[in-house]
Amino acid sequence: KAGVTQTPRYLIKTRGQQVTLSCSPISGHRSVSWYQQTPGQGLQFLFEYFSETQRNKGNFPGRFSGRQFSNSRSEMNVSTLELGDSALYLCASSLASTGVGYTFGSGTRLTVV
Amino acid sequence: AQSVTQLGSHVSVSEGALVLLRCNYSSSVPPYLFWYVQYPNQGLQLLLKYTTGATLVKGINGFEAEFKKSETSFHLTKPSAHMSDAAEYFCAVSPDSGYALNFGKGTSLLVTP
Repeated sequence: KAGVTQTPRYLIKTRGQQVTLSCSPISGHRSVSWYQQTPGQGLQFLFEYFSETQRNKGNFPGRFSGRQFSNSRSEMNVSTLELGDSALYLCASSLASTGVGYTFGSGTRLTVV
Repeated sequence: AQSVTQLGSHVSVSEGALVLLRCNYSSSVPPYLFWYVQYPNQGLQLLLKYTTGATLVKGINGFEAEFKKSETSFHLTKPSAHMSDAAEYFCAVSPDSGYALNFGKGTSLLVTP
């Protein structure tokens, strides 16, 4: 059974650009969440989608957005990149409709220069 | 809002010694509690979780944790440390009706020969 797949694994972008990260959940999982991990702030919740609907959103600026497709795959987009957006972005999927039993992907390491 | 506090950002144990990683939670309702492990350049792997029922929870790799409501704690233990246990450990809490995991700052476990 394939795990949560995140692409790309590594990304280098220039300040001011935008970026799109992709997440393919475990087959059958309908809930997908995104987290940002930085040395200073730790793991912070970005947003969660269930059946193409955003159900919950963390305290991030509007430059951070996401969506979920009918096949449960999810993308997150960051526009007008800032140096502080450099982080490991983790995607997690769950079978259940509540936050129990999330499986995480290996993450996308974004570096903004 | 529910939160967790991990006591000790770095813990060092000798190989074969007891591992004890501390986590205290703040919650006004019975929470869901989790321990995750993260190896370098990887995502998060679920070690164990507490939802309801038995307060002593056994997880993978010989780890276990006990939910103590009176102490608002969910400490992670392992009787005998292995070199392969060296990693970053995160405690997390989820509201019973919410979808976001609130993570602690993490504890880096060092295992010495």
